Amino acid sequence: DIQMTQSPSSLSASVGDRVTITCRASHDISNYLAWFQQKPGKAPKSLIFGASSLQSGVPSKFSGSGSGTDFTLTISSLQPEDFATYYCQQYDSYPLTFGGGTKVDFK
Amino acid sequence: QVQLQESGPGLVKPSETLSLTCAVSGDSISGDKWWSWVRQPPGKGLEWVGEIYHGGSTNYNPSLKSRVTISVDKSKNQFSLRLSSVTAADTAVYYCARRNLCTTTSCYTSGLEYFQHWGQGTLVTVSS
Repeated sequence: DIQMTQSPSSLSASVGDRVTITCRASHDISNYLAWFQQKPGKAPKSLIFGASSLQSGVPSKFSGSGSGTDFTLTISSLQPEDFATYYCQQYDSYPLTFGGGTKVDFK
Repeated sequence: QVQLQESGPGLVKPSETLSLTCAVSGDSISGDKWWSWVRQPPGKGLEWVGEIYHGGSTNYNPSLKSRVTISVDKSKNQFSLRLSSVTAADTAVYYCARRNLCTTTSCYTSGLEYFQHWGQGTLVTVSS
C-alpha cells in the first residue's frame, strides 16, 4: 500500500495568513493526488486534482503543487471559512489511500 | 447536478451485516464512472472501502476484502455496500462517492480519476 503522510497534523493560523500543508507519498504517484477540505459534520469537498488542477468553483486562493512523492497545498490568504481539516489522497494505485489530515484552526 | 444520497440502518449489532445504499441522481450509473464507498470512524481519518463499475467490476480495500460486497442496481440507478461480521471497529460515517473512469490517455494523465462528488454521509454504529 502507498502510505500518505501529511504534515503538520494541526496548525494554528490567523485570518490573512498564508498556509502551506505538505503531503508525502511512500512511492512515486506521479500527479495522481487530490486534496479535500472537510468541515465538522460535513462530507469532504474536492479542492485540487491532478496535484495542481483546481476543481471547478473552488477559489483561486487554493493551489497545489508537486509531483512524484512530495506535494503541497497552499492557501494564499486564510479566511474564516477556511478553518477546516484538509486531506490528501492518492489515486495512482490500489488501495486508494488518504493522508491522516491537517486540522487548521484559529490562532 | 450530481447528487448522491446514502441510506440504511444507523444501528447494527455485532457479528451482523451492515447494508447501505447510495441513490444517484443527476447522472447515470451506467457511465464511465467508479462508484465508491469511503468511511470515517468518529474523530478519525478517511478510509477507502471499495468501488464498482456498472459492468460489475469491483476493487476492494484488502483490509476489508473478505467482508465487503459492493453491487450495482442499474434499474434503480443506485449501488450498495454490504459489510459482514461487523464489530465496533466498523462504527463510522459511511460516504458514497463518484470518481471518473478514464478511457483516454489525456483524461488519465490529467488526473481526472479523482473523487469529484460525495454523498452527505450516514453514521452507522455497531452496538448490541
